[in-house]
Amino acid sequence: SQQGEEDPQALSIQEGENATMNCSYKTSINNLQWYRQNSGRGLVHLILIRSNEREKHSGRLRVTLDTSKKSSSLLITASRAADTASYFCATDKKGAQKLVFGQGTRLTINP
Amino acid sequence: IAGITQAPTSQILAAGRRMTLRCTQDMRHNAMYWYRQDLGLGLRLIHYSNTAGTTGKGEVPDGYSVSRANTDDFPLTLASAVPSQTSVYFCASSDGSWTDTQYFGPGTRLTVL
Repeated sequence: SQQGEEDPQALSIQEGENATMNCSYKTSINNLQWYRQNSGRGLVHLILIRSNEREKHSGRLRVTLDTSKKSSSLLITASRAADTASYFCATDKKGAQKLVFGQGTRLTINP
Repeated sequence: IAGITQAPTSQILAAGRRMTLRCTQDMRHNAMYWYRQDLGLGLRLIHYSNTAGTTGKGEVPDGYSVSRANTDDFPLTLASAVPSQTSVYFCASSDGSWTDTQYFGPGTRLTVL
């Protein structure tokens, strides 16, 4: 099974609302990253949070990390139509020499 | 524009044919990666290269080979394509190690018939 698993698989909200996506993982990590993928495009890095950090902000994005629960959340505030995309978490499983991506949350912002 | 370019954008290929997907980056990043993205399976690492002259196997390397003759280029070759290799292929790079931010190319959509 995947090291990182996002929840929910799909989320549809109204423009202006906040969107929260969650990621759970199984083993110890160094960092956790969130990426966005617009339809038909490559992934774009959003934010990296290290295992010794609990919260990080970037513009309208807020990421939290709870290493005791092996989980992270991505909050997008005041959503916009342009935020419609798939969002992936990626974990660097210690000793694995690779990033492991979850299957993503498909976010739809309705005007 | 700085970044990663991939070619071709899309390709339909007959089974058994040889195909090379090209990837070039102009950021002088040390590490490069090839992923495939399949519905329901997310992104899976095929091969990686930590620095020019070295390569390593990822999660799903069978049927694929790579080379890293220089810093900028990281081609992925399918020696004899099979339908299960139908996928979208993404090349990525990172400045430091695999734990750092990765920058992705636009992808190659490959269909093997």
